[in-house]
Parts: sequence; structure tokens; C-alpha cells
Amino acid sequence: NAGVTQTPKFRVLKTGQSMTLLCAQDMNHEYMYWYRQDPGMGLRLIHYSVGEGTTAKGEVPDGYNVSRLKKQNFLLGLESAAPSQTSVYFCASKVGAGYEQYFGPGTRLTVT
Amino acid sequence: AQTVTQSQPEMSVQEAETVTLSCTYDTSENNYYLFWYKQPPSRQMILVIRQEAYKQQNATENRFSVNFQKAAKSFSLKISDSQLGDTAMYFCAFMKPLNSGYSTLTFGKGTMLLVSP
Repeated sequence: NAGVTQTPKFRVLKTGQSMTLLCAQDMNHEYMYWYRQDPGMGLRLIHYSVGEGTTAKGEVPDGYNVSRLKKQNFLLGLESAAPSQTSVYFCASKVGAGYEQYFGPGTRLTVT
Repeated sequence: AQTVTQSQPEMSVQEAETVTLSCTYDTSENNYYLFWYKQPPSRQMILVIRQEAYKQQNATENRFSVNFQKAAKSFSLKISDSQLGDTAMYFCAFMKPLNSGYSTLTFGKGTMLLVSP
């Protein structure tokens, strides 16, 4: 049972490049989330999903897109990376009726 | 919208001592959940303790306990017998009830706790 995993762990992009971050969970959780963490800002919700095929915007969704084609995977896409998207990205998941969100190890993204 | 405020960016404590981290929040909800998460240097987010707003009794998990003051919208974390492994960033977080249609977390900006020998 790997829990929540994120791929890749580190990435450096140039401005304007695109990439996709993959979050996978093997706990059969309904809810999945993407957060970004910036110094002095805590974690802020980007997008989330309450089930396969559904997505919703969080607090800071601009510049990001997401997809949940399979229950166990939640993808976060950056179509045209900007330096302002330099951050640590966390994925989390939880059971629909549960309280606790289980977090992945994070992805450190640098956009130059 | 909910807001969570942690007014102490950094705190320090010596090993074996007790420290209290502060958190206040703003909401119009009557039922909700509050959490403290720990983020050590490894970056992994770890749930420390949870409090349901409808429960008057303060939650306790071993050396960790909370002081939940619903009327004052205050939710502080007390760490007793501090250990070096408690050195971490601590985040206070708020969650609406599950029957509200969604259940997302709103985090405070965090308090960096340093435990020294």
C-alpha cells in the first residue's frame, strides 16, 4: 500500500513550457486535491475532485487544468508555465465520508 | 469564505518544555472541523490532531492537546514534553462539514517551531 504518490519529485521548466504532474492513490479514495505551497502562504487549494470524471476550482485555479479520468489518478497540468508557478505542489486524497486528507510527498517545481 | 490566522510565524522551545501555538479562524458555519498538521523538514504533511466543533471536550493525542474556544473562534495547540522531533512547521486548518457539498481544507500560513536541546 503506497498511499499517495506524486510524479515527478522535482522539475525545472522554462517559461512557456508545459508539463503534467501525476498524483496516484491506491486507497480507493473518492476525493482528491491539488495544493500549492509557497513560503509564508501556507497551502492553497488549486483544484479538487469529488469523484471520477468530476473536477472543481479551488482558491487559486488560474493557469492550471486538471483531469480525473480514473478514480486513482488526478492530473495537474500547466499549459504555459510562468515563474509565478514556482512552488511546491501537494496532492491529497480522502474517503468521501472521512475527515482526514492523506498527502503525497510533494513536487518541487521551478520555472525559470 | 473561511479564513485561518496563525499570528506566530516562528516559535522556539527547549526540549521537555511545553509550548502553545495559536490559531484563530473566521466562519459563519456552526458545524465544522479543525485540524493541526505538522510538516517536518521531510516536507511530508502529517495530521497531528482533529477537533469537531460540536464536541465541547478538547481533543488530546498523547503529548498534543488543543484548547478549543468556539465562541472566541480560537484553536490553539499545546505540545507537552517537547522533543527534538517536534521541530517542524505547524499548520492550522479548517474544514466545512461533509454535508455542505464539498469538504476542502483552508490552511493558515503556518508556525515554524524549533525545539532545541
